[in-house]
Amino acid sequence: GEDVEQSLFLSVREGDSSVINCTYTDSSSTYLYWYKQEPGAGLQLLTYIFSNMDMKQDQRLTVLLNKKDKHLSLRIADTQTGDSAIYFCAEVGNQGGKLIFGQGTELSVKP
Amino acid sequence: DTAVSQTPKYLVTQMGNDKSIKCEQNLGHDTMYWYKQDSKKFLKIMFSYNNKELIINETVPNRFSPKSPDKAHLNLHINSLELGDSAVYFCASSQDRAGGINEQFFGPGTRLTVL
Repeated sequence: GEDVEQSLFLSVREGDSSVINCTYTDSSSTYLYWYKQEPGAGLQLLTYIFSNMDMKQDQRLTVLLNKKDKHLSLRIADTQTGDSAIYFCAEVGNQGGKLIFGQGTELSVKP
Repeated sequence: DTAVSQTPKYLVTQMGNDKSIKCEQNLGHDTMYWYKQDSKKFLKIMFSYNNKELIINETVPNRFSPKSPDKAHLNLHINSLELGDSAVYFCASSQDRAGGINEQFFGPGTRLTVL
């Protein structure tokens, strides 16, 4: 079946690195995504990785993909208070482009 | 310019009522979606339309009926509202291309509260 799992909460101090982890089950996903949801807002695509890549770096963001273990992680360097949000890992399901989301990880950044 | 817009932003209603939520996208996308986010923030797809045609219908009660009058609009009508329908409903759209990343653009959400 299609399933994506994440831990629910992460708390870090400003300036530290944050690592949000995700496991998924559908190995046929071409892309894996990280979406960000700020309070009271919709989701916004933060970054993505193609399934034949191991790593993708985009400014403060680093995505690591371990296809063997079906594990995806998002590292945010020098985390800022503005990074406080819920981060959703997602894979594309096997039907019509639907996204299968994890439960979301609420990142809290303390000054 | 708002890419994906939804109305209303908040909807408070009594159990048993019928209500509609509207969604419009001005991105020229072919595919639109409705997602439900529950109180634990869990987000799950309900429906997807491609060029006005229903392509995904998850196990959603038939009290929920999507309607797509044209490819820029996807409305959600809910009959006989129940307490468990209280959630935030998100509309999204994407321009699906084979091999592309198919980013989905989300609306701001409609917070439905059923009393």
